[in-house]
Amino acid sequence: SQTIHQWPATLVQPVGSPLSLECTVEGTSNPNLYWYRQAAGRGLQLLFYSVGIGQISSEVPQNLSASRPQDRQFILSSKKLLLSDSGFYLCAWSEVQRGPQHFGDGTRLSIL
Amino acid sequence: GQQLNQSPQSMFIQEGEDVSMNCTSSSIFNTWLWYKQDPGEGPVLLIALYKAGELTSNGRLTAQFGITRKDSFLNISASIPSDVGIYFCAGQLSKAGTALIFGKGTTLSVSS
Repeated sequence: SQTIHQWPATLVQPVGSPLSLECTVEGTSNPNLYWYRQAAGRGLQLLFYSVGIGQISSEVPQNLSASRPQDRQFILSSKKLLLSDSGFYLCAWSEVQRGPQHFGDGTRLSIL
Repeated sequence: GQQLNQSPQSMFIQEGEDVSMNCTSSSIFNTWLWYKQDPGEGPVLLIALYKAGELTSNGRLTAQFGITRKDSFLNISASIPSDVGIYFCAGQLSKAGTALIFGKGTTLSVSS
């Protein structure tokens, strides 16, 4: 069966520091991968999605970036974090672009 | 951008009561999905709907894909304390290659 892993589960970073969140999927090949951000008490905002290695689509302009160095690995990065980057970051995968998405357990990011 | 209107925003019910929530949009959707999110965790897929008029059950949960393809509802029968959480609807537009659009969620509280 397919599984999705995100780490770390929680992260506290100072303003201006870099960020790297990692997501990996097991049990499937060539998944579509997604990064979402969820602000407290609000819905999910799609940040990036990828349909293949090296293919990244950005939905929201910001100081975050995403990369997909391997088929089942999706990384969310920033060179300099802002206070507004705080939130709950979720990675998701789907088998096809129009299939249901399945989420990881998320990373709680706090910027101080 | 595209929006889903999910209502109600929150519900406070007694154990054993039935619950109904819905999502509407001005756009036609090709797929409707319902997720549940527990605190500090990622959303978990409850029900996926792919055809207009489709009615699907998952235990005590029942969801329907509206005939107009612009709405969907989720019913929970005989609620129990573990039903507490945030329920999200998500839709996918009929155009190929588009990601999911999420509602802002319905927070359900169940008192025993």
